[in-house]
Parts: sequence; structure tokens; C-alpha cells
Amino acid sequence: KQEVTQIPAALSVPEGENLVLNCSFTDSAIYNLQWFRQDPGKGLTSLLLIQSSQREQTSGRLNASLDKSSGRSTLYIAASQPGDSATYLCAAMDSSYKLIFGSGTRLLVRP
Amino acid sequence: GAVVSQHPSRVICKSGTSVKIECRSLDFQATTMFWYRQFPKQSLMLMATSNEGSKATYEQGVEKDKFLINHASLTLSTLTVTSAHPEDSSFYICSASSGFRSTNEKLFFGSGTQLSVL
Repeated sequence: KQEVTQIPAALSVPEGENLVLNCSFTDSAIYNLQWFRQDPGKGLTSLLLIQSSQREQTSGRLNASLDKSSGRSTLYIAASQPGDSATYLCAAMDSSYKLIFGSGTRLLVRP
Repeated sequence: GAVVSQHPSRVICKSGTSVKIECRSLDFQATTMFWYRQFPKQSLMLMATSNEGSKATYEQGVEKDKFLINHASLTLSTLTVTSAHPEDSSFYICSASSGFRSTNEKLFFGSGTQLSVL
């Protein structure tokens, strides 16, 4: 059974700092790894999707990497801004096309 | 991008009543819709998968008679929480898929429904 873990559970950084969020998964038989942003009481916004054959994806200040063999993914946020404050969720899509979510990292970027 | 509309965004009800949550795909045909539940500071847990025109497939531990799912059209799926109790209070989110089943498939999420049962 796929299990997805995110570390740290919470993170507080000053504005402008670069940061890395970690995600690990137990079963490497995934179709893709996705990163989402969730604001309090809201739905999910898709940030990046890395297919199992890919190593990384970039969008603006965000860069996500995938190491399937070790069961790890990271989300790198460059030059963080207060508007980046949110909960970041990673999710692995398994062979039945279901998304298995981690518990998220709550990020606070202090002005 | 694709839009998924979920209503209501918030509902407060008395214990024992039933609550219906709607999930609509606005600009694409959603062959498959997923329903998730999220407790505070916890992850999204998949409750069930619904395919248009067929019965929903429920995850282990989810009571199908309590959480009724109907996916009667390619743009609408509903989740009805029957005889709601305080322990059903949670954030419910739907997501929709066009059903192409590719490894590059993105799911589009509704904005969620916060259910509070008194």
C-alpha cells in the first residue's frame, strides 16, 4: 500500500529565503508525482506534475524533482514571498490512477 | 484551464439530517470524479471514485450507505451525507478527470465544502 510522507510538517522562513520541501513515497510504481498548493479552507491548486520518466519540472520560482528509485521528491521555492504562505501537498498517482496524498507542509513566509 | 465548481462551500446542519454536495465540471466532460475527505491538519483521504453511469467504488472503511454518490451525467456528481453526525464534520473535496488515463493526467479540484454537524 502506497504511503506518502512530507517533512517538515510546518516551516516558517523570512521573506526572500530559498527553501526545500520534502516528500517521500514507499512504492516506486507510480505514474506521476504532483505538487499542490492549498490555502486555508480552499481547494487545491495544481503546481507541478512530474511523470515517472522525468527527473524534474520547473514553473517560475518553483522547481520539483523526482527520484523514483529512492522514493523521494522535493519542491524548491526560490526567493520566497509572503504570498507563498500556504499548505503544500504532494501526491503520488498509483497504477490505478488514484492520487495518494501526503499530509502536507504548512509554510509561513514572514515579511 | 479546466474548472470544477463545488457547492455549497460551507454547510452547518443538525445531527440526523442529510446534506448534499454538488461537484460540476464546467468546461469539460468528467468521465470520472473522485471524492476526498480532509480532517484538520491532515491529508486528503480518498473516499470513493465515481464513473458516469455506473456505481461508485468506495475505499476500504467508507460506508457506501452513509455516503451516497451519484454521477448521473458527464458534468455532475453529488455526494450525499445521510443522517449526518458530528463525527462526519470535515472538509469534503471533489476532483474530476476527463478519463483519458494518461501518466500525464492532471486532476482538477473543486474548492471544497466545509461540513459542520451540530
